[in-house]
Amino acid sequence: DAKTTQPPSMDCAEGRAANLPCNHSTISGNEYVYWYRQIHSQGPQYIIHGLKNNETNEMASLIITEDRKSSTLILPHATLRDTAVYYCIVRPTNRDDKIIFGKGTRLHILP
Amino acid sequence: DAGVTQSPTHLIKTRGQQVTLRCSPKSGHDTVSWYQQALGQGPQFIFQYYEEEERQRGNFPDRFSGHQFPNYSSELNVNALLLGDSALYLCASSLWDRYMYFGPGTRLTVT
Repeated sequence: DAKTTQPPSMDCAEGRAANLPCNHSTISGNEYVYWYRQIHSQGPQYIIHGLKNNETNEMASLIITEDRKSSTLILPHATLRDTAVYYCIVRPTNRDDKIIFGKGTRLHILP
Repeated sequence: DAGVTQSPTHLIKTRGQQVTLRCSPKSGHDTVSWYQQALGQGPQFIFQYYEEEERQRGNFPDRFSGHQFPNYSSELNVNALLLGDSALYLCASSLWDRYMYFGPGTRLTVT
């Protein structure tokens, strides 16, 4: 089973910040949180990852709560091209553990 | 760097037939994972290969088998195809402690 829980869908107005939540209450101390997105049946695309601290790159920001039980992916200025399914996953630290995807959040950007 | 490549992009098979899908990992990556994604669902983990051995397996029957070659490329074989095997098959490569890169997928239709 997936170790993360996400809302099935969200809407966001174009140009506004999109905030996508993820719960991972059973995360272990050294497991990373990763975010991917999938646009219309293409292969999932890596967005960002983090362990404890907040992270930012050219695509997005990742805010992880202090207890690490939840996180939020922020797309600062959403465009229509950000319409996709966003997956939050917990990456195990043991190489032999499986990386399990949930159903993700379908983000609709409204013009 | 071509990234992760998969072949073929699409194929149509008949129930009972066998199929082989191929994946070339991103340059420098030694680990390959395979996922099955049915329409509207998140990717489901099939198995993972590194050092030419299957290291982890998801909840898939023995009809699904794989192989990794010395150059780290990989094949996914599915025997005795069922209608329910129709899906997008995704290959992802990584170094064990780094994020996965996904290929564009192979769309398999079983009729």
